[in-house]
Amino acid sequence: GQNIDQPTEMTATEGAIVQINCTYQTSGFNGLFWYQQHAGEAPTFLSYNVLDGLEEKGRFSSFLSRSKGYSYLLLKELQMKDSASYLCAAESSSNTGKLIFGQGTTLQVKP
Amino acid sequence: NAGVMQNPRHLVRRRGQEARLRCSPMKGHSHVYWYRQLPEEGLKFMVYLQKENIIDESGMPKERFSAEFPKEGPSILRIQQVVRGDSAAYFCASSPNPGGGPPKETQYFGPGTRLLVL
Repeated sequence: GQNIDQPTEMTATEGAIVQINCTYQTSGFNGLFWYQQHAGEAPTFLSYNVLDGLEEKGRFSSFLSRSKGYSYLLLKELQMKDSASYLCAAESSSNTGKLIFGQGTTLQVKP
Repeated sequence: NAGVMQNPRHLVRRRGQEARLRCSPMKGHSHVYWYRQLPEEGLKFMVYLQKENIIDESGMPKERFSAEFPKEGPSILRIQQVVRGDSAAYFCASSPNPGGGPPKETQYFGPGTRLLVL
């Protein structure tokens, strides 16, 4: 079966660090994506991990452990504009690029 | 440098009518994906198309739904005889080449069409 789990909601304070976890079980696996989606808008690409380890890109970092079926997105120096939904997605096939999404984590950043 | 375009952005239909959703991929992209996002749920894969070919339709409901990506023009997602449960946001994404090399962004999403069935 296909299953992507992430917390439904999280709250954090402006300037702080937050980690959003994601576990996955898919019949095939090629890599792990994180997207950001503001309400009423399109998902926008944040990061992609295919190898184990940490990928850092500015304030955002993403980690993958293939053996554990686990990933996290780390957001540093939180800003109010980071309030959004964060979508974890597993690329289930390298041939088609088909993505299996979790339900998303709604992050609220408070002053 | 236009991104993925979808129209209409909002569509209201009465039960039993047909809904046609259009998606124009980014320039140079020949791979199109359709996803559905029900209220309070994540995006669910529906179908993957290349020009004139349906490659993977494993997420498409067996009845009333169809998709095409003709040689010329946008990709169309068609829903016949809509029901209230079809109310959702339908997102299209395009890719130059799935599984291709860096930058690994694979799929660019359009703004979505929000379908409301009355």
